[in-house]
Amino acid sequence: DIVMTQSPLSLPVTLGQPASISCRSSQSLVYSDGNAYLNWFHQRPGQSPRRLIYKVSNRASGVPDRFSGSGSGTDFTLKISRVEAEDVGIYYCMQGTHWPYTFGQGTKLEIK
Amino acid sequence: QITLKESGSTLVKPTQTLTLTCTFSTNGVGVGWIRQPPGKALEWLALIYWDDDKRYSPSLKSRLTITKDTSKNQAVLTMTNMDPVDTGTYYCAQPQTPGTLDIWGQGTKVTVSS
Repeated sequence: DIVMTQSPLSLPVTLGQPASISCRSSQSLVYSDGNAYLNWFHQRPGQSPRRLIYKVSNRASGVPDRFSGSGSGTDFTLKISRVEAEDVGIYYCMQGTHWPYTFGQGTKLEIK
Repeated sequence: QITLKESGSTLVKPTQTLTLTCTFSTNGVGVGWIRQPPGKALEWLALIYWDDDKRYSPSLKSRLTITKDTSKNQAVLTMTNMDPVDTGTYYCAQPQTPGTLDIWGQGTKVTVSS
């Protein structure tokens, strides 16, 4: 199985400040079609996960533009340009290139 | 608006079989099942595409069966020989395109206890 490693696991951030989460895969996530199927999800306490980013850098419908994704191969990053109170929760990366698809351990974002 | 909803057993005894149904409002490319033990990360269980291609987590493959009934807009997951470590929230989710999960259900909490 491909191992997805996120860092940091805990991310205290001041409101209005930027935040960045790293996700590294144990193998390249580039599929035979040239796409890397790397996703980011956000899970608020007591809620289901919600997709933020797909195929590395594509924002899902309704996701604010303060969220952005980047990366290639095995190294990927989620950035929040200015953290808002509603951004608290756990962020997961997930690879959908190689079965079994796998999630990272999660990064807990909290407000300082 | 696309919706998914999980239903089924919420309390099962050790060694029993868990049966969960995912009812969805529209077809994507398939339906996946993901679980989350209390306070832990997400774990893929199984995925079924509408051409009946089925994928299972290798570590749980012997215990899992995923099926679909497109006439009812449902996908069903069964997991045999349940154990207390299988306690958690079970989600169904739908990819509209491969390699992602666009929409998630609200999740259903499953407790395994005698």
